[in-house]
Amino acid sequence: NAGVMQNPRHLVRRRGQEARLRCSPMKGHSHVYWYRQLPEEGLKFMVYLQKENIIDESGMPKERFSAEFPKEGPSILRIQQVVRGDSAAYFCASSSPGRRSGNTIYFGEGSWLTVV
Amino acid sequence: KNQVEQSPQSLIILEGKNCTLQCNYTVSPFSNLRWYKQDTGRGPVSLTIMTFSENTKSNGRYTATLDADTKQSSLHITASQLSDSASYICVVSAQTGANNLFFGTGTRLTVIP
Repeated sequence: NAGVMQNPRHLVRRRGQEARLRCSPMKGHSHVYWYRQLPEEGLKFMVYLQKENIIDESGMPKERFSAEFPKEGPSILRIQQVVRGDSAAYFCASSSPGRRSGNTIYFGEGSWLTVV
Repeated sequence: KNQVEQSPQSLIILEGKNCTLQCNYTVSPFSNLRWYKQDTGRGPVSLTIMTFSENTKSNGRYTATLDADTKQSSLHITASQLSDSASYICVVSAQTGANNLFFGTGTRLTVIP
């Protein structure tokens, strides 16, 4: 996990508030992925980004969720008007260009969102 | 349909014993297969990665095997330790597709003294 930094590690929001989760990839990595993990379940793909581009957002809910990976700064997963069902662990992962060759994907420690 | 299935869903073993976790996949065209260990409350950590031509790869007490013909992989843990208690996730990559990673739901291993 070394190098992929996520913050905050834990976040509590009331229903209707906004949650912003940040991810700084490993140095030299330009590919970022976001996954969601519900308790006792596996990792579910949400979105795959490269710098300034969303490559695949097929796993993102159509409403309230958005992600970006700007030229400068961390990737941000934004959840608007949170509901209790959004409570989960959100993991960010990064890889270097040429991931199709088998480069390892490194995960962050996750951000735990609790909606009360 | 690209899928990854792991078995068993959960496993309890005594400290010092060996165990084997299974991963079957239907991902095509196949690129590589990874095993990750995820401790409770932590992010997944890579254990091994294998490409089509590799049959076995070891990382300490962890040994992964791959049979690309039958599309099966196993993770063997030798002389288990309490710290091996975790979820073990199989991830298979396809050669094509914008998002080419397919995750198993994991095997929850508990090692008891």
